[in-house]
Amino acid sequence: NAGVMQNPRHLVRRRGQEARLRCSPMKGHSHVYWYRQLPEEGLKFMVYLQKENIIDESGMPKERFSAEFPKEGPSILRIQQVVRGDSAAYFCASSEGVANTEAFFGQGTRLTVV
Amino acid sequence: QKEVEQDPGPLSVPEGAIVSLNCTYSNSAFQYFMWYRQYSRKGPELLMYTYSSGNKEDGRFTAQVDKSSKYISLFIRDSQPSDSATYLCAMRSVTGGGNKLTFGTGTQLKVEL
Repeated sequence: NAGVMQNPRHLVRRRGQEARLRCSPMKGHSHVYWYRQLPEEGLKFMVYLQKENIIDESGMPKERFSAEFPKEGPSILRIQQVVRGDSAAYFCASSEGVANTEAFFGQGTRLTVV
Repeated sequence: QKEVEQDPGPLSVPEGAIVSLNCTYSNSAFQYFMWYRQYSRKGPELLMYTYSSGNKEDGRFTAQVDKSSKYISLFIRDSQPSDSATYLCAMRSVTGGGNKLTFGTGTQLKVEL
């Protein structure tokens, strides 16, 4: 049973380009969460999605960031017109249900904006 | 003030020592408390979780929650060099938000031979 799969593991983008980060949850998991980890900081919640629905996006910056979890395929975190401050590790987690307290994390995508 | 406070360390201990890691929090709505271990450039790995107050033991690891003091701890007995990692506490409330977690900044632990 594969764990949470994120790709790419490393992504380099020039300022102004778009970054697309993908997350495939564990088999049987329909809840996906995105977190951002800045250097020397803990993980910060960004967005919580279920299939085809955004449940909580209270941690998402109001501009340039969007997320989706389509009926088929992985969840996508999209960052448009990236800036240097977007450089961070982005982690995806998935869980089986709402009441299940065990959220499993992927290995992360490390975004570097040059 | 951050919702969850955690001493960043680094904490350096000799092999075999008992390690105590701690977090304090301010949000009384938090009911689930987790400890994650994160190796360098890897994803967080869930070690333990507890619901409300009390203790939970799993092998060399013991988690304690004191809701009256808003204070949680993770104890590692007989520490090993392989325990060297960053330890993150995380919390969530019962209602709403699914598994939305609030993390501490992490404590970097080094267990030396």
